Amino acid sequence: DGGITQSPKYLFRKEGQNVTLSCEQNLNHDAMYWYRQDPGQGLRLIYYSQIVNDFQKGDIAEGYSVSREKKESFPLTVTSAQKNPTAFYLCASRIGAERGLNEQFFGPGTRLTVL
Amino acid sequence: AQTVTQSQPEMSVQEAETVTLSCTYDTSENNYYLFWYKQPPSRQMILVIRQEAYKQQNATENRFSVNFQKAAKSFSLKISDSQLGDTAMYFCAFTPPQGGSEKLVFGKGTKLTVNP
Repeated sequence: DGGITQSPKYLFRKEGQNVTLSCEQNLNHDAMYWYRQDPGQGLRLIYYSQIVNDFQKGDIAEGYSVSREKKESFPLTVTSAQKNPTAFYLCASRIGAERGLNEQFFGPGTRLTVL
Repeated sequence: AQTVTQSQPEMSVQEAETVTLSCTYDTSENNYYLFWYKQPPSRQMILVIRQEAYKQQNATENRFSVNFQKAAKSFSLKISDSQLGDTAMYFCAFTPPQGGSEKLVFGKGTKLTVNP
């Protein structure tokens, strides 16, 4: 089955620690995205990548880092510089990077809690 | 800044009735793309319907339809014959005209509850 997987589903981190969230897709999509979802805030874009070895900051990139070494993988690292990392994180992918009606497909999400 | 506004944080409807969720957005462009996504309690985001602003005809997907008013920058979602499985958060999203990349700007969502 084609789709997007995110792991782990739940993640706990102590303050001051970096943590990496996994996102893998087997849809052969070019573009991948990371969003953060907070209660009452909708989804906000953290980083996105249109092609392998290239990525751009979204609206709330501070305290996060990403890599895109393979087409199917787009891991997100939440660093200790992120002041309020507790949130639900969603990864998405899209068949192409150009504007259009092609939808973004979403993974099941990772709930990160900082203790 | 590009913004999407959903003015109804919560709504409820009786099963089998019709409900309309509102969405407005801000842009000076002529062509852009609009989407409605659904997030049920499982938190899996699912595309409900999409619309290209260049096309004036309102999009329809089974029980879901939109009322697209370009001049008013309004993109409301109508759900007919509501079912219990329609209970979810609904997000309106908009593709801002920046560069050549596809980015989505989301509204804050409307929590819809369908009552039996």
